[in-house]
Amino acid sequence: GIQVEQSPPDLILQEGANSTLRCNFSDSVNNLQWFHQNPWGQLINLFYIPSGTKQNGRLSATTVATERYSLLYISSSQTTDSGVYFCAVGILNSGYALNFGKGTSLLVTP
Amino acid sequence: GAGVSQSPSNKVTEKGKDVELRCDPISGHTALYWYRQSLGQGLEFLIYFQGNSAPDKSGLPSDRFSAERTGGSVSTLTIQRTQQEDSAVYLCASSPGGTSIAYEQYFGPGTRLTVT
Repeated sequence: GIQVEQSPPDLILQEGANSTLRCNFSDSVNNLQWFHQNPWGQLINLFYIPSGTKQNGRLSATTVATERYSLLYISSSQTTDSGVYFCAVGILNSGYALNFGKGTSLLVTP
Repeated sequence: GAGVSQSPSNKVTEKGKDVELRCDPISGHTALYWYRQSLGQGLEFLIYFQGNSAPDKSGLPSDRFSAERTGGSVSTLTIQRTQQEDSAVYLCASSPGGTSIAYEQYFGPGTRLTVT
């Protein structure tokens, strides 16, 4: 199956700082999603972004499909941004079932 | 509108017992996926339903696991003769479906299964 690698695995930021999370994948994909898993375990959809750039408030994401990577930018971080961020990809041949990376665990301190 | 719902939210069972986990997808979504999240294995795909087609069972870890989807809506994941390694959070997701275009998947809150 497709391999998904996320970096860094852990990140500690002071409130107000900016950060970039990276997702590399091993093959061409049809779908790519970024999620934030909150402390209660719920996966919150951040972006559906198989290619291109999107922005939503303080968050933005860019996927360069030809180079097989995606980036998630968090600006002016807040303590509520803490949690685990997952990148997940899928392909047509597997019904677009998502292959997840191991996640980036983010802690934003006051 | 209503999101994906799952029940129960927590389930504790004894080793060897059978369990059933339920998923109600978003109304109108034709694609339904089961995943599980465990400490050792991360988030992994289990099974996928698209409309009335036969499910893709390629991710099921053993023949003790099975799933069905009734009327193209509600799905039940059954684990027979549970083992301690089955302890995990079982997540369900749905999407508008389609076989030629990928759609965004939306996840339920999960069922935390503990096998004692």
